[in-house]
Amino acid sequence: DTAVSQTPKYLVTQMGNDKSIKCEQNLGHDTMYWYKQDSKKFLKIMFSYNNKELIINETVPNRFSPKSPDKAHLNLHINSLELGDSAVYFCASSQRGQEYTEAFFGQGTRLTVV
Amino acid sequence: KQEVTQIPAALSVPEGENLVLNCSFTDSAIYNLQWFRQDPGKGLTSLLLIQSSQREQTSGRLNASLDKSSGRSTLYIAASQPGDSATYLCAVRQGGNQFYFGTGTSLTVIP
Repeated sequence: DTAVSQTPKYLVTQMGNDKSIKCEQNLGHDTMYWYKQDSKKFLKIMFSYNNKELIINETVPNRFSPKSPDKAHLNLHINSLELGDSAVYFCASSQRGQEYTEAFFGQGTRLTVV
Repeated sequence: KQEVTQIPAALSVPEGENLVLNCSFTDSAIYNLQWFRQDPGKGLTSLLLIQSSQREQTSGRLNASLDKSSGRSTLYIAASQPGDSATYLCAVRQGGNQFYFGTGTSLTVIP
């Protein structure tokens, strides 16, 4: 079973549209993240939720809104998509406060805005 | 703010060579350091995790070391194979439960 799964894997959409990316983890972790990987492969944190509570909210346009219905799910909704939003978005999970635990990443969602 | 740098940015070696990838970080107050592998168009696969209290971890042909005081980690790959070709990323975990990623090293192993 996939530990962290994201859907869809690929998303091609027009400017101005609204889209969502879903993420689920079956590891029992209490913390989930969204990362954005730019064209230079650099990964930057966008959001982090711990037990459904937002704990990290980096400088991200308000058009991006995370939603965590429960600690196993963290979805990302994007309004009014722009060309610059094209990137690969990764969901991840970990267990807070345990330095011996790994972070696990999903396979990524490649978003292309045309 | 934590900054993580990886050197070199790209590396090309003939098959069979041993190689070292470097990762440096500016703030030594870390929980752990994790090495990942990313294949083109794929997600991140965890390779090794070193806790802040540890000096090294080994898995097969991979050995990762950590010198927290100097803000450095190395990933040693023995007897490299073409299948090792990928981008290697290091990430440090800090308080606030955030992971800071390095810029990555793109490795090509030539058969």
